[in-house]
Amino acid sequence: SQQGEEDPQALSIQEGENATMNCSYKTSINNLQWYRQNSGRGLVHLILIRSNEREKHSGRLRVTLDTSKKSSSLLITASRAADTASYFCATDAGGNNRLAFGKGNQVVVIP
Amino acid sequence: GAVVSQHPSRVICKSGTSVKIECRSLDFQATTMFWYRQFPKKSLMLMATSNEGSKATYEQGVEKDKFLINHASLTLSTLTVTSAHPEDSSFYICSAPKTGGTGELFFGEGSRLTVL
Repeated sequence: SQQGEEDPQALSIQEGENATMNCSYKTSINNLQWYRQNSGRGLVHLILIRSNEREKHSGRLRVTLDTSKKSSSLLITASRAADTASYFCATDAGGNNRLAFGKGNQVVVIP
Repeated sequence: GAVVSQHPSRVICKSGTSVKIECRSLDFQATTMFWYRQFPKKSLMLMATSNEGSKATYEQGVEKDKFLINHASLTLSTLTVTSAHPEDSSFYICSAPKTGGTGELFFGEGSRLTVL
């Protein structure tokens, strides 16, 4: 089964607001990654957080990881219309870069 | 710019025909590439791991004779959907690991296959 089940799956916010999405997984991991996908396009890597890290920042992105709860969250601050996309978390499924993706969160930022 | 190129981006074919999708790493070598399949509004399902110079490793439930994978060079992997049927219609995406062992993947832009 897929790891990385995000909740909620759809989010609609106003430009300037923050968007938060969560991800849970089932097995132990080496790292957890977040990717973005615009409709009908490939995925773009956003940020990677290692299992020994608890929080990481990259620009307007903030990722947290709680290995005890097997969960992660992605926060996008000061959202922009261009942030409209689907966001997926992914965990390494046994090493060798084999990532297992969750269901994804569709985020719509209204201008 | 794109570091993984995938072609074609869209293809329409008749039932029973075979379709080949190419995935190229640009400016870097990829001994391993990954093929994913994605249904509308769904997540990505890993189909197989393409290994340069050796056989691909297929995930459970993926028919290897249906989805032929060839990784003939360090920059090219191909996925051939053989004897395509309408249920094979999907979005196929390839990826290659970033060099340096960071765990990050570069993805192609995907190929939308429609089987009539």
